[in-house]
Amino acid sequence: AQTVTQSQPEMSVQEAETVTLSCTYDTSESDYYLFWYKQPPSRQMILVIRQEAYKQQNATENRFSVNFQKAAKSFSLKISDSQLGDAAMYFCAYRSALSGGYQKVTFGTGTKLQVIP
Amino acid sequence: DAGVTQSPTHLIKTRGQQVTLRCSPKSGHDTVSWYQQALGQGPQFIFQYYEEEERQRGNFPDRFSGHQYPNYSSELNVNALLLGDSALYLCASSLVEQRYNEQFFGPGTRLTVL
Repeated sequence: AQTVTQSQPEMSVQEAETVTLSCTYDTSESDYYLFWYKQPPSRQMILVIRQEAYKQQNATENRFSVNFQKAAKSFSLKISDSQLGDAAMYFCAYRSALSGGYQKVTFGTGTKLQVIP
Repeated sequence: DAGVTQSPTHLIKTRGQQVTLRCSPKSGHDTVSWYQQALGQGPQFIFQYYEEEERQRGNFPDRFSGHQYPNYSSELNVNALLLGDSALYLCASSLVEQRYNEQFFGPGTRLTVL
């Protein structure tokens, strides 16, 4: 079974600074997807960024980028120029790319990010 | 374009009762997944429905059951409620043909069991 570990329960960052959230995972599969989701307080969970395991290039979405280290099974999220609206719980998640579109998503325990004005 | 909707928003039940939660997927989506999120924890996968059949199931007892209708909407039923069933229940929809199967989440139903 796949597992996802987020070792930082809470992080804080000054507004406009950069912060990196860590995530490691365990799997025996070679093809899979990794995701970072954001869950603001009392609001819906939304997808921040995704990475396909067979792609070596790290994914980037505006101020959000990842550092994907497949051999180390590490998938960190970097948020640049942090904004107050970035304050939220961030979840790292894993999904197998095995055939069949119905594969479950495994989430980590989350990192609560505080942005200090 | 309506996103994922869930009802009710909040629910209070007592131990031993039964509850039904409802989910309407995002327009165009055909797959619905249900998650349980305890306070301060990450979502735990309960099960996933596609073509009105349960396709994947997490480590939850059979007190947790579901259904998917021809219009792709779904229900989560929990019987014999326990105090430990208190949680936020999230519904997520996706499109089975999409390669990375991006899931769109609803706002959740907050269930409190007294």
